[in-house]
Amino acid sequence: TQLLEQSPQFLSIQEGENLTVYCNSSSVFSSLQWYRQEPGEGPVLLVTVVTGGEVKKLKRLTFQFGDARKDSSLHITAAQPGDTGLYLCAGSTDSWGKLQFGAGTQVVVTP
Amino acid sequence: GAGVSQSPRYKVAKRGQDVALRCDPISGHVSLFWYQQALGQGPEFLTYFQNEAQLDKSGLPSDRFFAERPEGSVSTLKIQRTQQEDSAVYLCASSRRDGSNYGYTFGSGTRLTVV
Repeated sequence: TQLLEQSPQFLSIQEGENLTVYCNSSSVFSSLQWYRQEPGEGPVLLVTVVTGGEVKKLKRLTFQFGDARKDSSLHITAAQPGDTGLYLCAGSTDSWGKLQFGAGTQVVVTP
Repeated sequence: GAGVSQSPRYKVAKRGQDVALRCDPISGHVSLFWYQQALGQGPEFLTYFQNEAQLDKSGLPSDRFFAERPEGSVSTLKIQRTQQEDSAVYLCASSRRDGSNYGYTFGSGTRLTVV
């Protein structure tokens, strides 16, 4: 059972379109991270957010951490085929930084 | 090394066989985690080391699973008497300190298939 619920599970869009992936939980997290994973590889860190209400931008990616630190979203503007991958959110609730992952959102961007 | 190295990349084991999976973290990284990822799912926590100390092993599915990091660098995840339900990708991640604020570097994983 995943502590973090991600939606949608799967997203297929055309190049140039925008998309948003959501990550929700009933638990409060001290920090939340987003990773992207490609087939046969481990997850690669995109961003870490630690403050409620925080918004971080990474080129065409915008990450938001909810005010209550229970939820987060990832918005991609003008998606490109290189954005294709499994997007994972992961939250930490303990002092050791143990991450609890969501099940992931598979994003496919077609040319 | 520049990244987290895991070996072997692929392992096929007959049911009942013992396996050992190796993780070489980034030099100097204090924290090391093992995760299990089933097909189509997010990684599930198995165990955590801070240097050589195993501080949390609550995620290990059974007493057939054992992990060690004797010198605070290389770690080995051992699975005894493998079962088909052990088939998964095993991921190792490391961080210089508390990775919850700085992020973790993951290895490419070991894909274990038990036949």
